[in-house]
Amino acid sequence: QQQVKQSPQSLIVQKGGIPIINCAYENTAFDYFPWYQQFPGKGPALLIAIRPDVSEKKEGRFTISFNKSAKQFSLHIMDSQPGDSATYFCAASMSEGSSNTGKLIFGQGTTLQVKP
Amino acid sequence: GAVVSQHPSRVICKSGTSVKIECRSLDFQATTMFWYRQFPKKSLMLMATSNEGSKATYEQGVEKDKFLINHASLTLSTLTVTSAHPEDSSFYICSAYNDRTDTQYFGPGTRLTVL
Repeated sequence: QQQVKQSPQSLIVQKGGIPIINCAYENTAFDYFPWYQQFPGKGPALLIAIRPDVSEKKEGRFTISFNKSAKQFSLHIMDSQPGDSATYFCAASMSEGSSNTGKLIFGQGTTLQVKP
Repeated sequence: GAVVSQHPSRVICKSGTSVKIECRSLDFQATTMFWYRQFPKKSLMLMATSNEGSKATYEQGVEKDKFLINHASLTLSTLTVTSAHPEDSSFYICSAYNDRTDTQYFGPGTRLTVL
């Protein structure tokens, strides 16, 4: 019940395409859903995050769509660029009180390649 | 944005020795830090939660006597891999929770190779 399932495992798109990465969870107590981008040999960097009180959040070219009833959320990358080629991880956590100090449960990761 | 550093970035050691990895939050105070382990082409696996001034909380299957965690100040947590063996070779990543931004920030990771 603590798992977060991420798909696809890998994804190849052409420059300008819109890759979509999906995640699903079981635990309804999760209330914070971040997406991280990781380049080889580096630590993950927070891209964008959402809480269950909204169905969509957009920051720059990155959009999270959230479906609370289906317990699914996805990342869309608009106008993808070769520099977006990286591994993307979704995650979920439960708040402790009013802050999200809860530990992150990560998805399996998606390796994205954007071809020029 | 918030910055979290790790030192060293790479370490190679002989089997049986101990290695200490430092995680620092450079521009904010972090009461809670986390330590992760990542194998090649795999996801991050949470090892333990480090709380300033108290004992760390370890995840199931993680040996607390092998992976010693000390969170002595609001900006520093250390992970010591004791009596390291080749199977401990991995990428170790820490994260720190920033109360002001309500966000976890990750360090750049430490590549440990045990010969």
